Amino acid sequence: DTAVSQTPKYLVTQMGNDKSIKCEQNLGHDTMYWYKQDSKKFLKIMFSYNNKELIINETVPNRFSPKSPDKAHLNLHINSLELGDSAVYFCASSQEKKTQYFGPGTRLLVL
Amino acid sequence: AQSVTQLGSHVSVSEGALVLLRCNYSSSVPPYLFWYVQYPNQGLQLLLKYTSAATLVKGINGFEAEFKKSETSFHLTKPSAHMSDAAEYFCAVSDKGGTSYGKLTFGQGTILTVHP
Repeated sequence: DTAVSQTPKYLVTQMGNDKSIKCEQNLGHDTMYWYKQDSKKFLKIMFSYNNKELIINETVPNRFSPKSPDKAHLNLHINSLELGDSAVYFCASSQEKKTQYFGPGTRLLVL
Repeated sequence: AQSVTQLGSHVSVSEGALVLLRCNYSSSVPPYLFWYVQYPNQGLQLLLKYTSAATLVKGINGFEAEFKKSETSFHLTKPSAHMSDAAEYFCAVSDKGGTSYGKLTFGQGTILTVHP
């Protein structure tokens, strides 16, 4: 069974559209994260939720809105997509501040 | 604030040769340190981690890393490279007791190429 899963794996869309990426973990962890990996492979944290509460919110445009309906899920909604949003988005989870386990990534291409 | 610098964006070795990937960190609090590996078009897989126990840490696939506080380094090594080790490797730092609650700060990555 996949520990951290993301859907979709690939997402191709037009500028200006709104899209969502979903993440689920079955590890029983209480903390989940979203990271963005840009075209140069640089990884940067975007958000983190602990027990459904937002605890890390880096300098991210407010077009990005995370939502955690429960501890096992953390979704990322992006409004008015821009070319610069093209990247790979990784979800991760951990128990408190311990080791983070990553999902397979969602490759977003904005045309 | 924390930061990670990986020296060398590309490292090339022959199969059977020593692998050495360099990582230096900066942290105002005692750090947790990690190495992750990313194979093409895949997610990140944890290789090993340092969380203030033994300074020499052994990981999967024969990799190990040594935490050297005086040098603020956490270099990754493997005695004998295999073709299957070809991938991109990321060093990351996380604070132990700060307010950033497990936030990982990554280095820019090192692509390891293994020649037959």
